[in-house]
Amino acid sequence: DAKTTQPNSMESNEEEPVHLPCNHSTISGTDYIHWYRQLPSQGPEYVIHGLTSNVNNRMASLAIAEDRKSSTLILHRATLRDAAVYYCILRDALNYQLIWGAGTKLIIKP
Amino acid sequence: DTEVTQTPKHLVMGMTNKKSLKCEQHMGHRAMYWYKQKAKKPPELMFVYSYEKLSINESVPSRFSPECPNSSLLNLHLHALQPEDSALYLCASRFPGTHEKLFFGSGTQLSVL
Repeated sequence: DAKTTQPNSMESNEEEPVHLPCNHSTISGTDYIHWYRQLPSQGPEYVIHGLTSNVNNRMASLAIAEDRKSSTLILHRATLRDAAVYYCILRDALNYQLIWGAGTKLIIKP
Repeated sequence: DTEVTQTPKHLVMGMTNKKSLKCEQHMGHRAMYWYKQKAKKPPELMFVYSYEKLSINESVPSRFSPECPNSSLLNLHLHALQPEDSALYLCASRFPGTHEKLFFGSGTQLSVL
C-alpha cells in the first residue's frame, strides 16, 4: 500500500503563510491526495483534495509536484484557529478508502 | 443541517458491561463509517456501511458489533471490551461516490476499566 510521510510538528507565526509538506513516493497513478485537519477535541475536518493539478479553495491551496511524489498544503495566512493536526491522506484507487498519514501538529504563535 | 451527531460524548464502562454508541446524520448521506482513534495517532477504519449494508469490516474483534438501522443512524454495540479498547470512536458519513468528502462527528471518548 502507498503511504505518506509528514513532519511530526511545525511552528508558524500568526498571519504568515504556512507550507505543510507531505511525501508519498509510492503513490499510484490513480490515487488522490486528500488533506484533513483535526482541531483539539473535534473530529477531523476536510480541507482539500487533488489528483495532478494544483487546487485552491477557501481554506487552503494544494500544490502537487509534477511527479506526484510529494505535495504541499498551503495556508495563506494562518490564524490561531488553524492550530490543529493536519493529515495528508491517499485515497485508495481500488476501494476509495482513505490511507491516513501520521499527521503534522501545526502550532501557531501569536 | 451539516452535522454528524455522536452520543454520548464520554463513556466509562467495565469489561463486563454492554453499551452502545450512537451516530446520526440528516444530510442524506448513504455511506457511514466507524473509526477508532488512539491518542496522538490517526484514525483507523473499523467499519463501512453503504446503503445500510456492511461493506467493509477491517478485521475488527467481534466484541464490536455495528448496526445501521436506517439511512440516518449508525450504532456501535460494545460488549466485553478490554482496557486496550479505550479510545476516541469517530463516526463519519458521506455521499457514496469517488470524490466526496467525509463529514466527521466529534466522537465518543471511551474508557474501559
